[in-house]
Amino acid sequence: ETGVTQSPTHLIKTRGQQVTLRCSSQSGHNTVSWYQQALGQGPQFIFQYYREEENGRGNFPPRFSGLQFPNYSSELNVNALELDDSALYLCASSPEARGNEQFFGPGTRLTVL
Amino acid sequence: AQSVTQPDIHITVSEGASLELRCNYSYGATPYLFWYVQSPGQGLQLLLKYFSGDTLVQGIKGFEAEFKRSQSSFNLRKPSVHWSDAAEYFCAVGPSSNTGKLIFGQGTTLQVKP
Repeated sequence: ETGVTQSPTHLIKTRGQQVTLRCSSQSGHNTVSWYQQALGQGPQFIFQYYREEENGRGNFPPRFSGLQFPNYSSELNVNALELDDSALYLCASSPEARGNEQFFGPGTRLTVL
Repeated sequence: AQSVTQPDIHITVSEGASLELRCNYSYGATPYLFWYVQSPGQGLQLLLKYFSGDTLVQGIKGFEAEFKRSQSSFNLRKPSVHWSDAAEYFCAVGPSSNTGKLIFGQGTTLQVKP
């Protein structure tokens, strides 16, 4: 059974640029959640996708957007990058009707210069 | 307001000693509670979860946690710590519904002395 995978592992961008992060959910899981983890902090919920629809959103501005595809993989897009967007971005997948049971991928480390 | 507090930012224990990591939560509804572990540069691994029933739950790697509703606590314990347990530990609370917004504490860093 393949776990949650994320790409790329590391990414360096400059302020004002746009970035796309990718996540493949665990086999059999149809729900994907995204979190931002700043250095020394716990993860903060960005949003969740269930069957290609947004199913809950945290306190993040609209420049954070996402997509979920028919195969349940997902993308996180961040526009107009700011220095404070530097963080580890974690994706988690969940099985049907158990959106609060989340299995995390290794994360993407984003550095904004 | 919904929140999770992990009072200890950093804990150091000797290998073989017992461990208790504290977690207190504030949540309006019936909470689902989780403990995750994160090794440096890695994602989060689920150690254990509490949904209902027996308030003492067993997890992987010899960890257990006890849910105490009256104290709004969900402390993590291990009888004998191994050097490989050194990592960051996160307590999280979530809803009983399918919407999976987990609220995490700030984490406790565990250092294990030989």
